[in-house]
Amino acid sequence: SSELTQDPAVSVALGQTVRITCQGDSLRSYYASWYQQKPGQAPVVVIYGNNNRPSGIPDRFSGSRSGNTASLTITGAQAEDEADYYCNSRDSSGARLVFGGGTKLTVL
Amino acid sequence: QVQLQESGPGVVEPSETLSLTCTVSGDSISRNYWSWIRQPPGRGLEWLGYISYSGNINYNPSLRSRVTISVDTSKNHFSLKLSSVTAADTAVYYCARETYYYDNVNYLGGYYLDYWGQGTLVTVSS
Repeated sequence: SSELTQDPAVSVALGQTVRITCQGDSLRSYYASWYQQKPGQAPVVVIYGNNNRPSGIPDRFSGSRSGNTASLTITGAQAEDEADYYCNSRDSSGARLVFGGGTKLTVL
Repeated sequence: QVQLQESGPGVVEPSETLSLTCTVSGDSISRNYWSWIRQPPGRGLEWLGYISYSGNINYNPSLRSRVTISVDTSKNHFSLKLSSVTAADTAVYYCARETYYYDNVNYLGGYYLDYWGQGTLVTVSS
């Protein structure tokens, strides 16, 4: 079982805004990072730290944090955003990595 | 540009040892953290373990007795061994670099996996 909890599936209408959440006690001590994974591809980081986007990631992706919950928001979802999204952090001890179970995003 | 490349057998027999190597280019393995992560078909990501820039090694407790990670700094690569494999170990295995980030405004840090290998499918089958 994951120490980070995500909803298994979320859907959003094309062009609308969607929020994907990740809960876990370790998120009080460490920022989460978020990964997009499309079929047959390796995960790609889309958000890390305090709402940081690596170069090449569209600005419609943003992140936030409140208490033990981290959120990934896609503002104006596009068809190409349909993918699995995983959150990741260190555990509360800081010694180990943990992943959320993943959220499958469907763009309608 | 940092690149990681996994290599190793695509098929391993049950009860044998799975061995993979991750070759790193564009960065020194003596910096950052270097992880192994796997993904069984149709399932989520599972962290297996890492080796740090200082040589510290940590494993997923659920696999600790079967996993060994080592590093060869002369070849700039790190390796994974998973012993006594079963069909449940069939997965795509990834290696990745983990980087630390610190927010000086909110006094909070975090890590993120900024570079990944393409992954290699290992099937456990006789």
